[in-house]
Amino acid sequence: SQKIEQNSEALNIQEGKTATLTCNYTNYSPAYLQWYRQDPGRGPVFLLLIRENEKEKRKERLKVTFDTTLKQSLFHITASQPADSATYLCVPSNDYKLSFGAGTTVTVRA
Amino acid sequence: EAQVTQNPRYLITVTGKKLTVTCSQNMNHEYMSWYRQDPGLGLRQIYYSMNVEVTDKGDVPEGYKVSRKEKRNFPLILESPSPNQTSLYFCASREGQGIGGYTFGSGTRLTVV
Repeated sequence: SQKIEQNSEALNIQEGKTATLTCNYTNYSPAYLQWYRQDPGRGPVFLLLIRENEKEKRKERLKVTFDTTLKQSLFHITASQPADSATYLCVPSNDYKLSFGAGTTVTVRA
Repeated sequence: EAQVTQNPRYLITVTGKKLTVTCSQNMNHEYMSWYRQDPGLGLRQIYYSMNVEVTDKGDVPEGYKVSRKEKRNFPLILESPSPNQTSLYFCASREGQGIGGYTFGSGTRLTVV
């Protein structure tokens, strides 16, 4: 069965630094991959979608890469701010069935 | 405002008492889905619907039912709730496959005693 692994349960960084989150998947060949942000007790919020034929996508301070050979996606938050503190979820997908990674919790210290 | 609305936000019920959690979206999205989120297990898909009258099982469908009689509504039905269905539930919708991301509701925190 497919497996999604997101790096370390928690990531603590200093304000202004770049946070890099890793998402690895196995037994799966997704056509696209999504990243979401989730705050405690609230629904996930969509951030970015990258397709298998795209190597990189950017949105403001966010950058996502998608390497189908390595079966890996990297999610970068540049110039991080305390407001970026949240859990970030990786969601590789091919169809209507979704599998969410467990998430990486990011804490940005002022 | 484009949104997915779930009701109720909080619900405490007793084992075996049938309940329905409603979900409605105002974006004319074709696809809707239900998830449950439990500590340490992340979000798991319960059921999804590709369009009206078209539904399919996700990863954890046991003990749940859904229906999609109208495009905007996708209720989750627990015919005989049990304590192991105590969880945080989310409904989500999207326009279609591979088009943008999902819009999630605010969640329903269900406790079954």
